[in-house]
Order: sequence, then structure tokens, then C-alpha cells
Amino acid sequence: DSGVTQTPKHLITATGQRVTLRCSPRSGDLSVYWYQQSLDQGLQFLIQYYNGEERAKGNILERFSAQQFPDLHSELNLSSLELGDSALYFCASSIRGQNTEAFFGQGTRLTVV
Amino acid sequence: GENVEQHPSTLSVQEGDSAVIKCTYSDSASNYFPWYKQELGKGPQLIIDIRSNVGEKKDQRIAVTLNKTAKHFSLHITETQPEDSAVYFCAAILNSGGYQKVTFGTGTKLQVIP
Repeated sequence: DSGVTQTPKHLITATGQRVTLRCSPRSGDLSVYWYQQSLDQGLQFLIQYYNGEERAKGNILERFSAQQFPDLHSELNLSSLELGDSALYFCASSIRGQNTEAFFGQGTRLTVV
Repeated sequence: GENVEQHPSTLSVQEGDSAVIKCTYSDSASNYFPWYKQELGKGPQLIIDIRSNVGEKKDQRIAVTLNKTAKHFSLHITETQPEDSAVYFCAAILNSGGYQKVTFGTGTKLQVIP
């Protein structure tokens, strides 16, 4: 157990809908990262937050957004969902803002039908 | 942008043999290279990493080498065990001040045959 908690574990929704994925980082970790893993795109970095502020952006679509709250948990919002958004979404956390000692959660499997 | 190629995509070895996975990157500014192990149904787990100012790093049966000139880095697993079976990902990361860019390889599925 990495100490990073992601909910829900599985999510099935229809095209055009909006969903929110939640991540609770390890106790004491200030940085949260979001990743998408799909069969055709592999593992991709989406976005990073550090202590409530956006730190870095990767291949995140405009339909997606994220935030980190004062209690350091983070949410990834996916809107206007398309079939191609079906993937595993991972959250990771680390103490510092660099992607060094990052610990991954078990992921949320999103299926868009 | 950065491009990371990882080879092979699948690798089968006999228990006790060594396994080597190689990655090449394109952006010479990348300065941090972690390796992750992902078991079925789990998230990636950092197993070893190396920074651009280091040529080699070892942790028990796992070692990583970096050739900055050739822009490639490799994961070496010695005395493989069945529990080493998993998908392994390399990544090239550019850390510069508050900016970070992360690019992953496409993964190698390692099977260790008992």
C-alpha cells in the first residue's frame, strides 16, 4: 500500500458526461500528480500541483481540469467525455515538488460508453 | 518535445538470468531518469532512478546506467526471480526551477520463467 488513496476504483459513464476523480496523497506529501494510462497512448503525465498551486502541465486536454484543496487532496475533473477518454487515471504524490520519490495510487479505471 | 523509446516491448528470461531494458531519449535537457515497475492491477512503483550527473547506480539486484552523450539509459536486473515479472517503464524528466516535463517509455513486459 503506497498510502495514496484514489476513489472511485471503477467508473462507467456515458459520452458527454462529466466525472470527478479524487486523490488523497500520502500524509505529509505536498505535491500531487495526475497521469493517464491507455493502451494506445501509454502512460502520460497530465498535471502537477504543489501545495495548492499548479506546478506543471503535461498532455492535459482542455476538457480536463484539476485542483488541489487546502487539505492537499486533489480532484481531476473530466468533462464532455469521449470514448477515447477511457483509461486508467493514476494519482501520485511526493513530499517535494520534483517527481522523485513519487508514490502512485492504485488508479481509477474510467470506462466511457 | 521529448521522445522516449523503450526496448524491448516484451522480454522472457529464465529465473536466475539477467534482464536488460534500454531507453533512449531525445531532449538533452532531461536531467532525471526514473524506472517504474507496474504489477497487474497496481499503480507504477519507483524502483530506481538516476540523475544526469551520475553514470551508474545500483541497488541490490537492480542497476541503472546512463550515457548522456548517446542519450540512452538502461535497467539491469540480475538473478531474476518470478516476482520480478511485471511491466517496467522508463521516464525522462526535465526539472528546471519550478517547471517539469515528464515523458514515459512505452513499457517492457518482463516474464521470468521459473
